[in-house]
Amino acid sequence: QKEVEQNSGPLSVPEGAIASLNCTYSDRGSQSFFWYRQYSGKSPELIMSIYSNGDKEDGRFTAQLNKASQYVSLLIRDSQPSDSATYLCAVKPQFYFGTGTSLTVIP
Amino acid sequence: EAGVTQFPSHSVIEKGQTVTLRCDPISGHDNLYWYRRVMGKEIKFLLHFVKESKQDESGMPNNRFLAERTGGTYSTLKVQPAELEDSGVYFCASSQEGRTDGYTFGSGTRLTVV
Repeated sequence: QKEVEQNSGPLSVPEGAIASLNCTYSDRGSQSFFWYRQYSGKSPELIMSIYSNGDKEDGRFTAQLNKASQYVSLLIRDSQPSDSATYLCAVKPQFYFGTGTSLTVIP
Repeated sequence: EAGVTQFPSHSVIEKGQTVTLRCDPISGHDNLYWYRRVMGKEIKFLLHFVKESKQDESGMPNNRFLAERTGGTYSTLKVQPAELEDSGVYFCASSQEGRTDGYTFGSGTRLTVV
């Protein structure tokens, strides 16, 4: 079993819609959770971190954490074409990454 | 503030040769991490330095890989001898001691072993 699992996608949403990205993890003791965005050929860029159960909002991004169910999600509201990228979920002090979900926002 | 710098950006070597990758972390960042992403796979943790000490090297795949961080500044990752399966993108990241938020990644070194 992988430490972190994500649907590889690709996920396509129309511009202005909500994109929902999901991630599950295997270590119930994990305390730190991160979402990174990676454009093709570029390095991962941190966009959200979450440590407590519930929702955390930052602009158009909302991270949701449910430790009991061992999942963390990322919602992107009012999706823009510039949001098209691969989104990586990471847990612990970012020692474990998912394979990433490729998101395409269609104008 | 300069970011995390890695070089070379690309390296193509033959199987059996040696390659050394370098990472310059953000100035003042005691934590330095190496990761590797093989095509189609997840980013995998290789090791973690705190200053010049190896805090965790559990992700190093085998003894052909040697990482150093002399003086607690820049780090090198040497692969000797390189094998075909070592091909991938090697990322370096750094963070300040005690910080629990996200890391800053370098742009990576794309290594191709032929």
